[in-house]
Amino acid sequence: NAGVTQTPKFQVLKTGQSMTLQCAQDMNHNSMYWYRQDPGMGLRLIYYSASEGTTDKGEVPNGYNVSRLNKREFSLRLESAAPSQTSVYFCASRSSGANVLTFGAGSRLTVL
Amino acid sequence: SQQGEEDPQALSIQEGENATMNCSYKTSINNLQWYRQNSGRGLVHLILIRSNEREKHSGRLRVTLDTSKKSSSLLITASRAADTASYFCATDANTDKLIFGTGTRLQVFP
Repeated sequence: NAGVTQTPKFQVLKTGQSMTLQCAQDMNHNSMYWYRQDPGMGLRLIYYSASEGTTDKGEVPNGYNVSRLNKREFSLRLESAAPSQTSVYFCASRSSGANVLTFGAGSRLTVL
Repeated sequence: SQQGEEDPQALSIQEGENATMNCSYKTSINNLQWYRQNSGRGLVHLILIRSNEREKHSGRLRVTLDTSKKSSSLLITASRAADTASYFCATDANTDKLIFGTGTRLQVFP
């Protein structure tokens, strides 16, 4: 049982490049989330998807887009990466009726 | 701005001592959760307390919730070196969103 799988684990980009972080869960969860974690800032919610076909902005959505491709997959796209987007990104999922999040292992992104 | 803030930001104790960390939040909630993060890893759920509960226990963990003060505390009793980690509170603000606090870094020395 893989839980929540994120790819890639590490990525280095140059300013202005684009990339997509992939997230997949095999627990049949309805809701999925993308967070970023910066030193001293804790986790901040970028976007979330309460169900397949819906997405909503979180606390820090600027510079990001998301796609809820199907119930399993929720991707995060940086169209034009900036150094301020250097961070560790976490994907998480939650089943309906439950409140607990299951997290992936994280993706460390560096933008030069 | 973030919903929750933990206090203290960092805490160092000896094995066997108790560790207490506090969380304050801003809006009404359905429940409050605590998560643990080991260095370089994802977060793991520890315990959830509902807004109509005042105290909850799970093993060596004790959580309290005071909705009138919009605050919660997490007590880890008889701490062990393996408890070294960062601890985060998270609240739902009566929505599908789960918003995390800034975290407390706990160091337990053998």
